[in-house]
Amino acid sequence: QVQVVESGGGLVKPGGSLRLSCAASGFIFSDYFMSWIRQVPGKGLEWISHSSNSGTYTNYADSVKGRFTISRDNAKNSVFLQMDSLRAEDTARYYCARVGADGKADVWGQGTTVTVS
Amino acid sequence: SYALTQPPSVSVAPEETARITCGGSDIGSKSVHWYQQKAGQAPVLVIYYDNHRPSGIPERLSGSNSGSTATLTISRVEAGDEADYYCQVWDGSSDRMIFGGGTKLTVL
Repeated sequence: QVQVVESGGGLVKPGGSLRLSCAASGFIFSDYFMSWIRQVPGKGLEWISHSSNSGTYTNYADSVKGRFTISRDNAKNSVFLQMDSLRAEDTARYYCARVGADGKADVWGQGTTVTVS
Repeated sequence: SYALTQPPSVSVAPEETARITCGGSDIGSKSVHWYQQKAGQAPVLVIYYDNHRPSGIPERLSGSNSGSTATLTISRVEAGDEADYYCQVWDGSSDRMIFGGGTKLTVL
C-alpha cells in the first residue's frame, strides 16, 4: 500500500545534528514532491521544507533556513532531512508527507520525534 | 507572508452540524485542503481542492471556498469526529505550504 515511514529521531543536545529519513513505498516516488512538516507538542502543523520530484528544487521555512537541508535518493525511494545547529525550539514531531497536485499532503507518515535538550 | 486564520475551537452536539472556517486573503482563488488529526495520530487528508473527498472519507464531510473564507462542514456529527482540523493552501508567491492554526472540534 501507499505509505511513508520516518526514522532517525531522538534526543540531541543544543547545537547538535540529526538526520531524519523517510522511506516511501507503493507509489512512483520520483513523480512526487516530498515535504517535511513538524508539530511541537500541543501546537499546530508547521511546514518546514520540500523537495521537487527530481530534488533539483528545494525550499525552506525561515525558521530552519540555513540549518536544515532536504535531499532525496529516488533510486532508494527515500527523502532525508539533515538538521544542524539544533535548538530547543526544534523539539517536535517531524512528519514526512507526499505532496500531490496543488500542494496537498495526501500521504503522511506516523512521524518521528526530535528532542533537543 | 500569506496567513490562514481558524477559530481555536468549535463545539457541537451529536447529530448536529459543525462548521469550521478558514480565513485568508482572497482564499477563494486558491485550492484549500483540510486535514483531520485525532489525538496521538498523524494528520489525514479529508478534503482537497476545496470540496473533494479522498476515498474512504464519509460524505458527511464537505467543503466550500469563496471570497475570503473556506469552510469545512461536518454533518450529523459523531463522537468519532472529535479531532483537530487544519486548513492548508499552497502559497505560490512564496512556494510554501501554509497551514491554519488548527481548530479543535469538541463533540458535547
